[in-house]
Amino acid sequence: KQEVTQIPAALSVPEGENLVLNCSFTDSAIYNLQWFRQDPGKGLTSLLLIQSSQREQTSGRLNASLDKSSGRSTLYIAASQPGDSATYLCAAPSGGSYIPTFGRGTSLIVHP
Amino acid sequence: DAGITQSPRYKITETGRQVTLMCHQTWSHSYMFWYRQDLGHGLRLIYYSAAADITDKGEVPDGYVVSRSKTENFPLTLESATRSQTSVYFCASSESTSAQGYFGAGTRLSVL
Repeated sequence: KQEVTQIPAALSVPEGENLVLNCSFTDSAIYNLQWFRQDPGKGLTSLLLIQSSQREQTSGRLNASLDKSSGRSTLYIAASQPGDSATYLCAAPSGGSYIPTFGRGTSLIVHP
Repeated sequence: DAGITQSPRYKITETGRQVTLMCHQTWSHSYMFWYRQDLGHGLRLIYYSAAADITDKGEVPDGYVVSRSKTENFPLTLESATRSQTSVYFCASSESTSAQGYFGAGTRLSVL
């Protein structure tokens, strides 16, 4: 069974800092890994999807990397802004499955 | 409006009552999912469906029933609600197995 762990559980930083959020998974035979954002009281919004054949994906100030051999992914947020405040979740399926297991998320606060 | 809609957004019920949570998507996505989100557990899959009339159990299916007679609808029924089913429920849909595409805004259910 896939287990997904996210570190840190919470993070508070001043505006402008570059951030790294970590995600680790136990079953490395994954088809893909996905990062989501969740705002309070809202559903999840997909940020980045990395296929197993890819090493990284970029969208604006966000960059996600994937290292299957070590069972790790990182989400890099450049020049953080207060609008980036949210919970960030990663999700990875078990080997041979497309059904993802979610981590518990990193709650990020970016203060002005 | 295009998207995925959950109803109701908030529901209070009593132990032992039957409750149905509705999920409707306008994209004709093949895949639909029901999750519950609880503090300390994160997102857990209840049931999923690969197409109309095809459903399968997820990680925590006990006490829940689903049906999918039409591609766009995927209702979740709590047959006899229990306090442990107090949670926030999210519906999601995707067009392929490669990613979790879109999430609804969630239904916050309280069982008294």
